[in-house]
Amino acid sequence: NAGVTQTPKFQVLKTGQSMTLQCAQDMNHEYMSWYRQDPGMGLRLIHYSVGAGITDQGEVPNGYNVSRSTTEDFPLRLLSAAPSQTSVYFCASSYLGGQYFGPGTRLTVT
Amino acid sequence: ILNVEQSPQSLHVQEGDSTNFTCSFPSSNFYALHWYRWETAKSPEALFVMTLNGDEKKKGRISATLNTKEGYSYLYIKGSQPEDSATYLCAFHNAGGTSYGKLTFGQGTILTVHP
Repeated sequence: NAGVTQTPKFQVLKTGQSMTLQCAQDMNHEYMSWYRQDPGMGLRLIHYSVGAGITDQGEVPNGYNVSRSTTEDFPLRLLSAAPSQTSVYFCASSYLGGQYFGPGTRLTVT
Repeated sequence: ILNVEQSPQSLHVQEGDSTNFTCSFPSSNFYALHWYRWETAKSPEALFVMTLNGDEKKKGRISATLNTKEGYSYLYIKGSQPEDSATYLCAFHNAGGTSYGKLTFGQGTILTVHP
């Protein structure tokens, strides 16, 4: 099993650009989520999904969209990047007993 | 917004010292409490998932206890080693309504073990 994979690992965007962060898991987990990690803030939940076709907002959803058309994939879209979205993004999937995290995507918005 | 607090924010100990830190969380809508270990430049790794009041879990030199009635969990490390240096995160796993399944993380305790 590859576990949870994320692409790209690093990305630099200009303000106003859009992009999609990819996340995939091969463990057949129903629950997937996106977090951002900022210094002194821990991990904050952006969006999550309890199964294909079902998504919901987390703590900091503004500026991000998600969709879940398959169990395996849970992409995160930045609609119009802003410097405040500079962060490290983690995708996770879970079996309700604990979450497996992907390796993270480091995003810089200039 | 759920309040999950960890203390202390950071901790410096000498190799061989035993240490502990605290996670406090809401005592309602409890499903589980998770502990993660997060090394710099890596992804968080699950340590424990605790579900029952009074639960105690152990993994090597690391153990954790859970009190769901008063809303706290302790993580203990016995005989700290430099390789234990990491950020330790707890996460409250919500059982209630539309928030079912959501994890809310504390800010973490940064542990540094000096040789």
